[in-house]
Amino acid sequence: QKEVEQNSGPLSVPEGAIASLNCTYSDRVSQSFFWYRQYSGKSPELIMSIYSNGDKEDGRFTAQLNKASQYVSLLIRDSQPSDSATYLCAVPRGISSGSARQLTFGSGTQLTVLP
Amino acid sequence: GAVVSQHPSRVICKSGTSVKIECRSLDFQATTMFWYRQFPKQSLMLMATSNEGSKATYEQGVEKDKFLINHASLTLSTLTVTSAHPEDSSFYICSARTDQGQPQHFGDGTRLSIL
Repeated sequence: QKEVEQNSGPLSVPEGAIASLNCTYSDRVSQSFFWYRQYSGKSPELIMSIYSNGDKEDGRFTAQLNKASQYVSLLIRDSQPSDSATYLCAVPRGISSGSARQLTFGSGTQLTVLP
Repeated sequence: GAVVSQHPSRVICKSGTSVKIECRSLDFQATTMFWYRQFPKQSLMLMATSNEGSKATYEQGVEKDKFLINHASLTLSTLTVTSAHPEDSSFYICSARTDQGQPQHFGDGTRLSIL
């Protein structure tokens, strides 16, 4: 099992719809979770971080975390064509990796919002 | 806040040249910086982790004599690709963070093309 798994997509949604992006992780002791957005040819940009079970909302973005199921998702409401990008889920590596706690990235989900 | 500056943004040079890339945290002190490489349509691949004042930790398969990393201060890390060859052509991205559990913030990346 991969440490962090995402559906690679591509995922296409019409403008104005809700885009739902999913991520599962294997390390039960993970405490922090991040969603990054990466436009083609650009570097990743942090859009959401979540540390507790439940929902966290920031504008049109909602992150949902369920530690029991080892599942974290990102919802984008009222999707816009400018949201078209690859979305990366990231989870710090386990304690056994040492003190640096590097991030493990999923392979990313490519989202296209159709006008 | 949390701005990371990476320079240069693009490099085109001849095979055998050594290339130095700088990564600076502009408004925070980065105890840890990370260097990634990303090939087209692939996810980020962590190359190495550097902590200020100590030797970098390289990921398996990354040649430390090929990719020299220096993290001399809390705001600056450099990656030098020594004697670069066409297969080293890639998108190199640095990131920085303050403490464990905090998100990484990425520079804009350096697109390296070796002719």
